[in-house]
Amino acid sequence: ETGVTQTPRHLVMGMTNKKSLKCEQHLGHNAMYWYKQSAKKPLELMFVYSLEERVENNSVPSRFSPECPNSSHLFLHLHTLQPEDSALYLCASSPLPSGANVLTFGAGSRLTVL
Amino acid sequence: QKEVEQDPGPLSVPEGAIVSLNCTYSNSAFQYFMWYRQYSRKGPELLMYTYSSGNKEDGRFTAQVDKSSKYISLFIRDSQPSDSATYLCAMSVETSYDKVIFGPGTSLSVIP
Repeated sequence: ETGVTQTPRHLVMGMTNKKSLKCEQHLGHNAMYWYKQSAKKPLELMFVYSLEERVENNSVPSRFSPECPNSSHLFLHLHTLQPEDSALYLCASSPLPSGANVLTFGAGSRLTVL
Repeated sequence: QKEVEQDPGPLSVPEGAIVSLNCTYSNSAFQYFMWYRQYSRKGPELLMYTYSSGNKEDGRFTAQVDKSSKYISLFIRDSQPSDSATYLCAMSVETSYDKVIFGPGTSLSVIP
């Protein structure tokens, strides 16, 4: 596999469920990101990990919990979500920032909260 | 005022047309300007990026940056149905993990 792989591609969960999104990158990048994409809105940065340490947490509700066990894997643990959390969750990776900090994105996990 | 503004469209053009996609921004400190393309059910992929002002050409695509007007453009010549996608502009002040600001994207359809 190459690039950035996200699983599952689609997820439907109730408000009381606990689920996890998984991301894996095969690019040798040092930084990994979670973004939220909602219709007609700009991408929202949620979390950044650099060399497995969290660099940024943009005031994301605690019902979203990231985990980065190594530089190739990133998880987003979900619990007690709200319907407004329904969105496309994108994982991305990049080398250590240089110049434009170009991101390589996965295909996303489409989350629906009932 | 939003940091980056972009007309969401949808924009529909006939095959072979020249397409102009635009973003305006408010932060004069932005230095890096990027265009990403996102096909349906896919993640965004980088098309091209420029540093500071000027033009950059890659095949049928040309990116322009006018920092004096805080305005960037992406031109697509001889548009093809395969160009149908959402185009996201993005920009950043400096080399940093968390300072890339995206526009909401413009949806483009190229009709055969």
